[in-house]
Amino acid sequence: DAGVIQSPRHEVTEMGQEVTLRCKPISGHDYLFWYRQTMMRGLELLIYFNNNVPIDDSGMPEDRFSAKMPNASFSTLKIQPSEPRDSAVYFCASSSLGLAAGDEQFFGPGTRLTVL
Amino acid sequence: KQEVTQIPAALSVPEGENLVLNCSFTDSAIYNLQWFRQDPGKGLTSLLLIQSSQREQTSGRLNASLDKSSGRSTLYIAASQPGDSATYLCADILTGGGNKLTFGTGTQLKVEL
Repeated sequence: DAGVIQSPRHEVTEMGQEVTLRCKPISGHDYLFWYRQTMMRGLELLIYFNNNVPIDDSGMPEDRFSAKMPNASFSTLKIQPSEPRDSAVYFCASSSLGLAAGDEQFFGPGTRLTVL
Repeated sequence: KQEVTQIPAALSVPEGENLVLNCSFTDSAIYNLQWFRQDPGKGLTSLLLIQSSQREQTSGRLNASLDKSSGRSTLYIAASQPGDSATYLCADILTGGGNKLTFGTGTQLKVEL
C-alpha cells in the first residue's frame, strides 16, 4: 500500500484565494483525520470522519474551513477565503478501527500551505 | 481541557548515549498514550502505544512507560544513533474522548557523531 497520499505537497497562494487540500487514505481504513501543525499551536485535530461521515469538527477554526469526504478513498479540506494566519502544515491521517479501539494512525506527508 | 507538555524542547546528545524524553499531562483519565516520531518535512510515524491498563511498552531500543497517577510518560532510547535524530511527540486520548488525540509540544532530538 502506498500509505496516506496528500496533494499538493506545497501550496503558495494569496490572501483571499480559495485553497483545496486533498487526501487519499489507506484502502480499507474507516477513519480519516485532518490536522494542522504550526510552531505556535503545535499539532491540532481539525476534524475526523468515520465511514465518510464527519464525527467531530470542533477543531475547525471558523466557517472559512470546510471538509468533505464524498467516498471512502477521498477527502478534501477547503479554505475560502484564505488568510495569512492559515499558513501551516496540514496533515491527513487514517486509521482502520479508530483510536478509541487502540488502533494506530498512519499519517500522510503533509501539505505545506503558505498564504501571502 | 487536556494539556500535554514535553520537556526539554530540544536535546543534543553524543552517539551511544541512553536518553529519556519526558511527557506530562494534566488530566490522568487517559485511555491510551502514543509516542510518535516526526522527521523534517514528513508526517508522523507511530512508535509505541500504551493502553491505560499497561505500564510500559517496548520496541527494539525504545521503551515507553506510563504513570497515570503522576501524569507522566517517558520514552527511553537506548544506545542512541544519529538516525534517531528527529522530533518526538507524545499524544493521548482521554477516556470517553472518542478519537481525539491531544499532542504534546514535542522534543527535538539531535544525536551527534
